[in-house]
Amino acid sequence: QKEVEQNSGPLSVPEGAIASLNCTYSDRGSQSFFWYRQYSGKSPELIMSIYSNGDKEDGRFTAQLNKASQYVSLLIRDSQPSDSATYLCAVGYYGNNRLAFGKGNQVVVIP
Amino acid sequence: NAGVTQTPKFQVLKTGQSMTLQCAQDMNHNSMYWYRQDPGMGLRLIYYSASEGTTDKGEVPNGYNVSRLNKREFSLRLESAAPSQTSVYFCASRTGGAEAFFGQGTRLTVV
Repeated sequence: QKEVEQNSGPLSVPEGAIASLNCTYSDRGSQSFFWYRQYSGKSPELIMSIYSNGDKEDGRFTAQLNKASQYVSLLIRDSQPSDSATYLCAVGYYGNNRLAFGKGNQVVVIP
Repeated sequence: NAGVTQTPKFQVLKTGQSMTLQCAQDMNHNSMYWYRQDPGMGLRLIYYSASEGTTDKGEVPNGYNVSRLNKREFSLRLESAAPSQTSVYFCASRTGGAEAFFGQGTRLTVV
């Protein structure tokens, strides 16, 4: 089992719809969780960070963390064409400060 | 604001040649990371340094060596490049459990 798994294939959503992305992780010692957005040919940039169970909202983005089930999700509301990118889930560990990423999910917003 | 600076941005090597990728950060971060990114594979951790003076292997360390020269600099060396090491390499840094900041990437082609 990979450390961080993002198993969904490319996601196509109509403009204005909600995009939902999921991520699971294997190590219960994981302490910090991140969603990054990466445009083609660019570096990853932070969208959301979440550290405790529950929801965290920032504008059109909501991150949800469930440590008991070992998953973290990202919702993008009112999707815009500019949201078309690859979204990477990352998990961090306080003990050794390791930071592991999933393989990413491509999102395409159709105007 | 320089942030995380990687050099070079592009490089073409012949099989068997060696090279060092340089990374420097000016944010006083304790931890630094090297990742490689291949199509459909997300970011795979090569090596990381939780703090100055320490380095640890990540998911794909074979064929690479690293040096944490000081708090600011973390270099990645390919001793004998192979075509399988053709990839985009990203350096990142962070402190504690906070978000990581990325350099602009190095596109390496081994022929």
